[in-house]
Amino acid sequence: QKEVEQNSGPLSVPEGAIASLNCTYSDRGSQSFFWYRQYSGKSPELIMSIYSNGDKEDGRFTAQLNKASQYVSLLIRDSQPSDSATYLCAVNSAGNQFYFGTGTSLTVIP
Amino acid sequence: EAGVAQSPRYKIIEKRQSVAFWCNPISGHATLYWYQQILGQGPKLLIQFQNNGVVDDSQLPKDRFSAERLKGVDSTLKIQPAKLEDSAVYLCASSLFRGNSPLHFGNGTRLTVT
Repeated sequence: QKEVEQNSGPLSVPEGAIASLNCTYSDRGSQSFFWYRQYSGKSPELIMSIYSNGDKEDGRFTAQLNKASQYVSLLIRDSQPSDSATYLCAVNSAGNQFYFGTGTSLTVIP
Repeated sequence: EAGVAQSPRYKIIEKRQSVAFWCNPISGHATLYWYQQILGQGPKLLIQFQNNGVVDDSQLPKDRFSAERLKGVDSTLKIQPAKLEDSAVYLCASSLFRGNSPLHFGNGTRLTVT
């Protein structure tokens, strides 16, 4: 069973701060990595994808990938109360198979 | 483009009853997935289809769960008989069969087994 691990949290940050979410995975053959945001009672929505080592920025979000360490992270700058949600790390292995972590619950305090 | 369609949104049944969920993926998406998400957990893959063939059903409880995608487009997931522990959200997702394509989720079906 390919594993994806995340700190379950909950993680609380004040409004305007940087939220840092981490994820590790077990399958070295994994090629693509995704972050999904899931509001309570809703389905996951894609917020970031990253495929090569390094950083990828999109607005207030930055994804970081280190394949040697099998580590993916998501930074949220200038956190807003609307960012309060559960963030799911997903890893795409061979055969287009997606594995998810348990999610990290983030609360942004106004 | 239209998203992944799922129905029903909610279903309440008694244990030992049967239930079926329907999913229509995004047009052109060859790969379709059914996930089970129990409250407080991440989505767990039940079955993955590539067109109308099964790619992975290793975590599908085959004594009670079945799924089909007969024409390579829409899909149904059935539970018979249901158990209390089947209470969860059932998420359907689809993706292009192409490296690096993300999953796109439907709104899910919230199942409560009493």
